[in-house]
This record gives sequence, structure tokens and C-alpha cells, in this order.
Amino acid sequence: GAVVSQHPSRVICKSGTSVKIECRSLDFQATTMFWYRQFPKQSLMLMATSNEGSKATYEQGVEKDKFLINHASLTLSTLTVTSAHPEDSSFYICSANVQGGTMYQETQYFGPGTRLLVL
Amino acid sequence: KNQVEQSPQSLIILEGKNCTLQCNYTVSPFSNLRWYKQDTGRGPVSLTIMTFSENTKSNGRYTATLDADTKQSSLHITASQLSDSASYICVVTPFTGGGNKLTFGTGTQLKVEL
Repeated sequence: GAVVSQHPSRVICKSGTSVKIECRSLDFQATTMFWYRQFPKQSLMLMATSNEGSKATYEQGVEKDKFLINHASLTLSTLTVTSAHPEDSSFYICSANVQGGTMYQETQYFGPGTRLLVL
Repeated sequence: KNQVEQSPQSLIILEGKNCTLQCNYTVSPFSNLRWYKQDTGRGPVSLTIMTFSENTKSNGRYTATLDADTKQSSLHITASQLSDSASYICVVTPFTGGGNKLTFGTGTQLKVEL
């Protein structure tokens, strides 16, 4: 199947600093990538949809100035958590769509996730 | 109310036993329903994907079923192994003419013990 990678896998930072997380599609091109965050024992929550060459679409309640998304190429999207605070500590996961035989068979492949801890 | 409900919330079984996880959804219409396995601290990995017109799909020891009339899906795991311990997530894609925003279930935490 398609491979999506994330870097770093985990990061610890001080409060007030910015952290950049990279999401790459390794063997396919992704015009659209998605960013999720997941708290312990909870389901994934969509934060934003990242579109190559255009602005990201943020979900309600997600601060676009806090979570900067850049999708500069068909294989790379980045999420920057600006001025991180302890409440931003979470598991961040990206994903990308791979088209199947029909539009109904589209599958989303997820990256391995990035564990962010803000002290 | 969540549009995708899963049961049980958690489950413990002995190695080698079979188990069935349930998913009830209200998302309609929908393009496809998928089951993912998520190991602790990892991203979800796709197990099966079924379009609205399919009613069963197998992937090794995993067999998913779909009843679009009752809006229910199940994931059956045969001859469980310790490595099956994970969270299993039912995900439905609403049909929005090409939209791909997913609706996630609450997940079932499975633990396989010796």
C-alpha cells in the first residue's frame, strides 16, 4: 500500500517555541493531505485539510494562526505549531488520499504520527 | 450523538480465540466504510474498505461485513494473535460528490492475552 511518513516521530519543546512537523507521501503524489490530532483514548479529530498550492481549510474551532499548514509540493505538507503551550501536547497524525478504482474506493493512508510534548 | 458508534468499547480475549467487533452508523449516504487498526502510538492502518454496494471483504484473518439496510458493519478476527492487540476504528466516508472527510467511530480497544 501507499506509504506516508512523518518527521519527527516525537518532539519535546519548551512552552512558547514553534514546532514543525513534516508529512510526506513517499511513493505517490497527494494533492490533498489531512492533519489530525488525537488525545489519549480518543478518536482522531480532523484539524485541517491541506491543499497543494492553496490555503488549507481549517475545521471549526482550530486556530489557523496557531497551526500553520503549508503544502508546497505534491509530496510534502508541513504543520507548524506556533508558540506551543502544554495544552497543545498531543499526537498529531497526517494522512493522504489514494484513489482506488472508483471514487467510492478512495482510501486514506495515515502517517505514523508525531508525539508532541510541550513543557 | 456520534454518527459512528462502535461496540464493545474494550474487549479482552485469549490468544487463538475469535472475536467480532461492531459498528453502527447513521451517516447517509456514504461512499465507503473502512476498518482501521491502530497500534498504540502509531497511525491507523487500513484493514478493509467496502463501498456501499459490497457486503463483505476479507484481509487475511480479518473479515468485514456490511449491511447497508440496517447500517451495521462488523469486523471478525479469526484465530487472534497477541499482535492483534490494538484499537480498531470504523470509519465512514460521507458521500458528498467527491468529498473525503471521514467520520470516525469511537474505536474498540482489543487486548489479546495468553
